[in-house]
Amino acid sequence: AQSVTQPDIHITVSEGASLELRCNYSYGATPYLFWYVQSPGQGLQLLLKYFSGDTLVQGIKGFEAEFKRSQSSFNLRKPSVHWSDAAEYFCAVGAKNNAGNMLTFGGGTRLMVKP
Amino acid sequence: EAGVTQFPSHSVIEKGQTVTLRCDPISGHDNLYWYRRVMGKEIKFLLHFVKESKQDESGMPNNRFLAERTGGTYSTLKVQPAELEDSGVYFCASSHAGTGTLSPLHFGNGTRLTVT
Repeated sequence: AQSVTQPDIHITVSEGASLELRCNYSYGATPYLFWYVQSPGQGLQLLLKYFSGDTLVQGIKGFEAEFKRSQSSFNLRKPSVHWSDAAEYFCAVGAKNNAGNMLTFGGGTRLMVKP
Repeated sequence: EAGVTQFPSHSVIEKGQTVTLRCDPISGHDNLYWYRRVMGKEIKFLLHFVKESKQDESGMPNNRFLAERTGGTYSTLKVQPAELEDSGVYFCASSHAGTGTLSPLHFGNGTRLTVT
């Protein structure tokens, strides 16, 4: 069975600083990997996804993530954080042999941004 | 295009009562999913519809939960009778058909259910 671990429950960074959110997954085959963000009062918005090909994936809002098979990781990065990035971030893995998207989510990382 | 719409946004009910949550997917999306996040826990899959058929309901916690999608359009999730542990945020998501896991999910804003 697949699983996703986000080791950091809370992270606080200063505005303008760089950001890296960690995600480790467990899955028997090549996974479909996703990062979602939930801003207060909003639903889950897809930031980026990895299916195959280039292991460095670019997303919206200046985010990127790198798939590292050897480390079973899919960490999310942003070079310079803006106050509007304060939100909760979820890493998820999708089962490749399903007819749909039965995603398994990590527990989430809540990002706070200091002025 | 309009996004996934969920109603109500919040619901507070007493233990033993019944609550029905509604989800309107993006028009034309055959796939519809329900997920739930219990306080402090991960977001967990509940079930998946393809049009009006239940494709996978392996995540449904017990028989107090009933999901329907009559006509393959909107879906309802009924909890009867509600228990304290049912409190959490219920998310609905939809995606295009046919492309399977290549089609990202579009999530609604969720319904926050509080059972007292």
